[in-house]
Amino acid sequence: DTGVSQNPRHKITKRGQNVTFRCDPISEHNRLYWYRQTLGQGPEFLTYFQNEAQLEKSRLLSDRFSAERPKGSFSTLEIQRTEQGDSAMYLCASSPRGQGFGDTIYFGEGSWLTVV
Amino acid sequence: AQKVTQAQTEISVVEKEDVTLDCVYETRDTTYYLFWYKQPPSGELVFLIRRNSFDEQNEISGRYSWNFQKSTSSFNFTITASQVVDSAVYFCALSEFALTGANSKLTFGKGITLSVRP
Repeated sequence: DTGVSQNPRHKITKRGQNVTFRCDPISEHNRLYWYRQTLGQGPEFLTYFQNEAQLEKSRLLSDRFSAERPKGSFSTLEIQRTEQGDSAMYLCASSPRGQGFGDTIYFGEGSWLTVV
Repeated sequence: AQKVTQAQTEISVVEKEDVTLDCVYETRDTTYYLFWYKQPPSGELVFLIRRNSFDEQNEISGRYSWNFQKSTSSFNFTITASQVVDSAVYFCALSEFALTGANSKLTFGKGITLSVRP
């Protein structure tokens, strides 16, 4: 499988716990994105990496959220002290080294988070 | 700010009917890209098409066709002879230019749930 891989696919956690999601992009894709999608809504941009550098973060990404991409390969998204409002699907995506603007983004299957 | 509006929320058709999914966008950029993605129940967003703002030619791919009209800021998607496997949520998205280089950051509409009944 050469697509974007995410795990775990589903996570149920108690309020206040920390959770971490992992994303493995398509090999040789140097750009990596995290999006969040809640029920009945389209995905919303959270953050963007070019190689290992995190170049942009959305206002949606509160201080409890942290994303990393060591060595420019896989990425992790950690949510600390989870709240019920964090319940959503977290989508990872990657795009190839290209002109940059308007490159097609390829998404993974997402990681569903339920905070109880 | 960029905005994508998908006014239709749910559409239900019978197999073999044609169906058109509407998308209207707002942007101040003169150069931009538009996308359609399909999201089946599994959750993965499947890329369908990318169109840049300078190319207003309609495109056909099998049973799928897209009508881009810059004058009305619309990028509509038609499925001909729909099939049950077409049942999914369809998203229209707009790529905005960003100085950070996140030039493929997408603004999505809320999606249209298409149900195709046998």
